[in-house]
Amino acid sequence: GAGVSQSPSNKVTEKGKDVELRCDPISGHTALYWYRQSLGQGLEFLIYFQGNSAPDKSGLPSDRFSAERTGGSVSTLTIQRTQQEDSAVYLCASRSTGGTYNEQFFGPGTRLTVL
Amino acid sequence: DAKTTQPPSMDCAEGRAANLPCNHSTISGNEYVYWYRQIHSQGPQYIIHGLKNNETNEMASLIITEDRKSSTLILPHATLRDTAVYYCIVRVATSSAGTASKLTFGTGTRLQVTL
Repeated sequence: GAGVSQSPSNKVTEKGKDVELRCDPISGHTALYWYRQSLGQGLEFLIYFQGNSAPDKSGLPSDRFSAERTGGSVSTLTIQRTQQEDSAVYLCASRSTGGTYNEQFFGPGTRLTVL
Repeated sequence: DAKTTQPPSMDCAEGRAANLPCNHSTISGNEYVYWYRQIHSQGPQYIIHGLKNNETNEMASLIITEDRKSSTLILPHATLRDTAVYYCIVRVATSSAGTASKLTFGTGTRLQVTL
């Protein structure tokens, strides 16, 4: 597709369960970001991938959160033992390197609800 | 990144110009002003950016004061589809997709366009 896609669009889970969120970036974009947005809040950076470099995990809120990016394309964000405070919209963005400004293209997000 | 201040909400009649202000009094000389917007249930969307000159594209115009301590995003003929939260951020532009390229949004300005 032409844009960033994410799946599922909505996920409802029970506290303590593990969830996996998927991101398909724009083809050819080497940089990929995960953010989350809690209700009525701004954007919170989680993790960043760039090519084959080690990811920057500095924004992950706890060790229950992890992410991987296979083959430099698709990325999966995993949340283990989910808690109610994990409820948020999880957004993925991709960006091509080069150029002179930071235009990131966002996916529609996955709305996670932890009961 | 420099901090920005935006009004929490604004209303605009359809067909009129929407002028969204942003204060960034601590902006550094090498920091750009970026605007994104987020329509309900969608990911953020890049609108425009600038350094010190006024900028215009197919979506909007960006007016930056001479001292660069504030700016205004102008939607010349607002439509109902422009109803969204608008985010103003200031940051260093870099051609590399390093961690510095991650975005941090505050709570933005909620623009409501009405008939």
